[in-house]
Amino acid sequence: AQSVAQPEDQVNVAEGNPLTVKCTYSVSGNPYLFWYVQYPNRGLQFLLKYITGDNLVKGSYGFEAEFNKSQTSFHLKKPSALVSDSALYFCAHHSGGYNKLIFGAGTRLAVHP
Amino acid sequence: NAGVMQNPRHLVRRRGQEARLRCSPMKGHSHVYWYRQLPEEGLKFMVYLQKENIIDESGMPKERFSAEFPKEGPSILRIQQVVRGDSAAYFCASSRTGTGGLEAFFGQGTRLTVV
Repeated sequence: AQSVAQPEDQVNVAEGNPLTVKCTYSVSGNPYLFWYVQYPNRGLQFLLKYITGDNLVKGSYGFEAEFNKSQTSFHLKKPSALVSDSALYFCAHHSGGYNKLIFGAGTRLAVHP
Repeated sequence: NAGVMQNPRHLVRRRGQEARLRCSPMKGHSHVYWYRQLPEEGLKFMVYLQKENIIDESGMPKERFSAEFPKEGPSILRIQQVVRGDSAAYFCASSRTGTGGLEAFFGQGTRLTVV
């Protein structure tokens, strides 16, 4: 079955340090991959996507992600974490030829002062 | 340009009642998706609709749940005879087209509590 996996339930980072939130995919054909962020009691906000082109994708709020075909990964990164980055992060892919999203289980990012 | 609007934000229903959740997509968007988020879990796809058509309902429970997106007005997710297990956050998203790798924009969700 086509899916994305987020192997870490939670990631803890000190403010100012680089952060990585991991995502691997199992998708046939060309994957359309996304990262969304969810703040408490809010909807999801789009961060970035990979459709085609450069493997390094830059998104909102200083986030970026690297598409790695050989490792089937699409990890989310930020060079310097902020406390305000603390939230729930979801990796997702499109399925069935439509723009419907299949989500990973989510990773809770906690950035400590 | 207003974003995706969902109402109500919070909805409390007693077991056996009906719940109606509304979603108005972003202006210019004619594709709507409904997702459910159970407590401490990720989002699960429920149904994908275009105006007046259900395109994919593979994530909808077979009974009690239905969705529509009429020619005029918002998309409606309807849950009949609610049970405690229906308590969740229901999110609606919209996109301009149904394919092409476009990102979807999400509403703030309706949090349904069944008591």
